[in-house]
Amino acid sequence: DTEVTQTPKHLVMGMTNKKSLKCEQHMGHRAMYWYKQKAKKPPELMFVYSYEKLSINESVPSRFSPECPNSSLLNLHLHALQPEDSALYLCASRPQVQGAYSGSPLHFGNGTRLTVT
Amino acid sequence: RKEVEQDPGPFNVPEGATVAFNCTYSNSASQSFFWYRQDCRKEPKLLMSVYSSGNEDGRFTAQLNRASQYISLLIRDSKLSDSATYLCVREAAGNKLTFGGGTRVLVKP
Repeated sequence: DTEVTQTPKHLVMGMTNKKSLKCEQHMGHRAMYWYKQKAKKPPELMFVYSYEKLSINESVPSRFSPECPNSSLLNLHLHALQPEDSALYLCASRPQVQGAYSGSPLHFGNGTRLTVT
Repeated sequence: RKEVEQDPGPFNVPEGATVAFNCTYSNSASQSFFWYRQDCRKEPKLLMSVYSSGNEDGRFTAQLNRASQYISLLIRDSKLSDSATYLCVREAAGNKLTFGGGTRVLVKP
């Protein structure tokens, strides 16, 4: 069982579609993450939200648009994606503490497997 | 040089044997490190956090060597279920957590 819930588990979309990935956690974690993982590669950081504010954007193309509507929810809006964007999209959270380093590990959801046709 | 580097393997390990592998990092300001395991088509799962003094959890031992900028993971008495990809993660300032490329371990009967 995972305490971070991602929906949907699988998504197939065309290049002209608009879709959203959703992530929810109720552990009181105030740092939330989106990672992208291609086959046989490690997770690659996309975005980090800290206290519902975007704190890191790893130069992700604008066709990916993150949103953090409240402390429990994290969305990733998708528009005009390319076939090479097909990947496993992982949401993660962890406690946010004051100071430069948290020292807390990431808790991952099961991921959304996205296929762009 | 990549921020976090690992030997991709695979490490072919006889069941019951010991295997160890390292993860090197380039930023000496890195403070926290973690080991995750990932099974095929699954999400990464936390194996253990890595403390400066080293730590052990059952058959798994993690060490941090700040002088040489690497962390290590040792698995004793390997089980078939230990077959997985092991990912090291480095925490940098500002909530940034970066993964190494992963080390694949195959435990064989």
